[in-house]
Amino acid sequence: DAKTTQPPSMDCAEGRAANLPCNHSTISGNEYVYWYRQIHSQGPQYIIHGLKNNETNEMASLIITEDRKSSTLILPHATLRDTAVYYCIVRKGSYGQNFVFGPGTRLSVLP
Amino acid sequence: DTEVTQTPKHLVMGMTNKKSLKCEQHMGHRAMYWYKQKAKKPPELMFVYSYEKLSINESVPSRFSPECPNSSLLNLHLHALQPEDSALYLCASSQFRVTDTQYFGPGTRLTVL
Repeated sequence: DAKTTQPPSMDCAEGRAANLPCNHSTISGNEYVYWYRQIHSQGPQYIIHGLKNNETNEMASLIITEDRKSSTLILPHATLRDTAVYYCIVRKGSYGQNFVFGPGTRLSVLP
Repeated sequence: DTEVTQTPKHLVMGMTNKKSLKCEQHMGHRAMYWYKQKAKKPPELMFVYSYEKLSINESVPSRFSPECPNSSLLNLHLHALQPEDSALYLCASSQFRVTDTQYFGPGTRLTVL
């Protein structure tokens, strides 16, 4: 699976959009981009995933560049409850395979 | 319902004890996973079960013994652990599809004295 690079930490003001970048320059054609987050001492929570097209759900939007070498997770109106470690994971489409978690980005939403 | 439950929430055990961690899901998922997470580190895979058969063992020491008695249950039996095994143990499940989404439980915080 392709390796990802994320900034170790970011701050965001409450109510503003949080834009979390992820580089995955060695991604291959059959690899998906997944985002999970982990609030302190809880289990990771699925946020969103995509292959080529931009995706949106009730939690966030995922913007993938045309060359697929990077992506951005957008939390449109960050709240204090969004403070967490955010993991960008690139993974082949395959059955029952694990997710390889990198160090992630620690997002702090500030009042 | 996307809930994975884990019991107990916290466990303290001595190095000579035998204990078990339990994980349960009722989403009809056919793949289940154990991860280990040390403080301030990302989760690391230990085992994968697909259709109740062990499909991946990431070279985990034999003092950790997984068991999948049925499609809804996953156990992790612990014996003769070391203090460095203290960690958050996470269970996850997925549907076993090409674009799998794994759903994680809240974890069991294990302390080995």
